[in-house]
Amino acid sequence: DVKVTQSSRYLVKRTGEKVFLECVQDMDHENMFWYRQDPGLGLRLIYFSYDVKMKEKGDIPEGYSVSREKKERFSLILESASTNQTSMYLCASSQQLRYEQYFGPGTRLTVT
Amino acid sequence: GENVEQHPSTLSVQEGDSAVIKCTYSDSASNYFPWYKQELGKRPQLIIDIRSNVGEKKDQRIAVTLNKTAKHFSLHITETQPEDSAVYFCAPGGSYGKLTFGQGTILTVHP
Repeated sequence: DVKVTQSSRYLVKRTGEKVFLECVQDMDHENMFWYRQDPGLGLRLIYFSYDVKMKEKGDIPEGYSVSREKKERFSLILESASTNQTSMYLCASSQQLRYEQYFGPGTRLTVT
Repeated sequence: GENVEQHPSTLSVQEGDSAVIKCTYSDSASNYFPWYKQELGKRPQLIIDIRSNVGEKKDQRIAVTLNKTAKHFSLHITETQPEDSAVYFCAPGGSYGKLTFGQGTILTVHP
């Protein structure tokens, strides 16, 4: 079974803090994705990576950056957290040339 | 970018009825058409998908139909059961394995 894990299920941070969300997958997948999920808006793609050290902007990259130093790990960074970044963050991975994405359990981030 | 819309946003049915959710998309280059199910408090999981060279695919009580000319595809659930209650997302796919998710449909199946 594919396993995608995220570093925290719940996180509370203050405005202006730097926040790191980590995602690890154990199936040697080339592609990794970060989404945020908000009610009524579905899942919106923040960034994705199709190889180590490669990254591509998704639909809502503003205020976020990512890092992929190892194939199994994809980190999402909020340089200076703001209240409008309060959301559920989901990580996913997939094999190269295949579309099925496997999701992590999500991190519910609250910025106060 | 891809514009994806799902209808309806909420759907309430009686157990045993059928449910249909429609997804329209804008990018004619999309070539992969999946549906994901997300139960309350759980992660999204793929339940069925179809490629652009196929018009219909069925897996037990669920089916997906594709009309590439009109740029829409639909999820059909027959003989609904309470455990089908969840949020369903369509997510047409293009390059790099990238998916664009719809806003979701909340399906409630009443016993």
